[in-house]
Amino acid sequence: GAVVSQHPSRVICKSGTSVKIECRSLDFQATTMFWYRQFPKKSLMLMATSNEGSKATYEQGVEKDKFLINHASLTLSTLTVTSAHPEDSSFYICSALVEGASNQPQHFGDGTRLSIL
Amino acid sequence: SQKIEQNSEALNIQEGKTATLTCNYTNYSPAYLQWYRQDPGRGPVFLLLIRENEKEKRKERLKVTFDTTLKQSLFHITASQPADSATYLCALGGMDSSYKLIFGSGTRLLVRP
Repeated sequence: GAVVSQHPSRVICKSGTSVKIECRSLDFQATTMFWYRQFPKKSLMLMATSNEGSKATYEQGVEKDKFLINHASLTLSTLTVTSAHPEDSSFYICSALVEGASNQPQHFGDGTRLSIL
Repeated sequence: SQKIEQNSEALNIQEGKTATLTCNYTNYSPAYLQWYRQDPGRGPVFLLLIRENEKEKRKERLKVTFDTTLKQSLFHITASQPADSATYLCALGGMDSSYKLIFGSGTRLLVRP
């Protein structure tokens, strides 16, 4: 149980393109989802907390106009990297919390490798 | 400043031995700590959670300790196997009213057959 699906797994696109990444909880409802960015051999860096039906909460230093987050349902959150540039190339990972859980584990997707040429 | 430190160098051990990984933190007061396993190109997978009022937690070949005085957690894998080779991440949580986790950078474990 508690499976999270992230799509696409890999994207290669030209500079200036906007890219949308989907994160779905397949067998549970997720009031809260998180979006992370990970550089090689580095920690997961939290970008934002996505709450169903409300605006996302962004971490300090993360541009909300650059990284648009939408959490329209209890099973789907999307991250759109707008006008992507090479410095946006990274591994993006989402996670989801089972609704109502507090100190329970986060369930992660398998990430999206974004490469901007 | 706030820091979470895990050994950046890989831990290389012989199959059958016990692997011990360390997570130290500074200027955080977590209510709980979690350990995750991450394989290359994949998302992290949850292993164990330990709360601040717990000293030790076990699950099969895994054991976690949590010392809030030392601000340290130790993660042990007994009777290690090559399949245990992966990066192991510690994460602090419960530091505010949110459900956020703060992750360490992970330690890579290599188990030689």
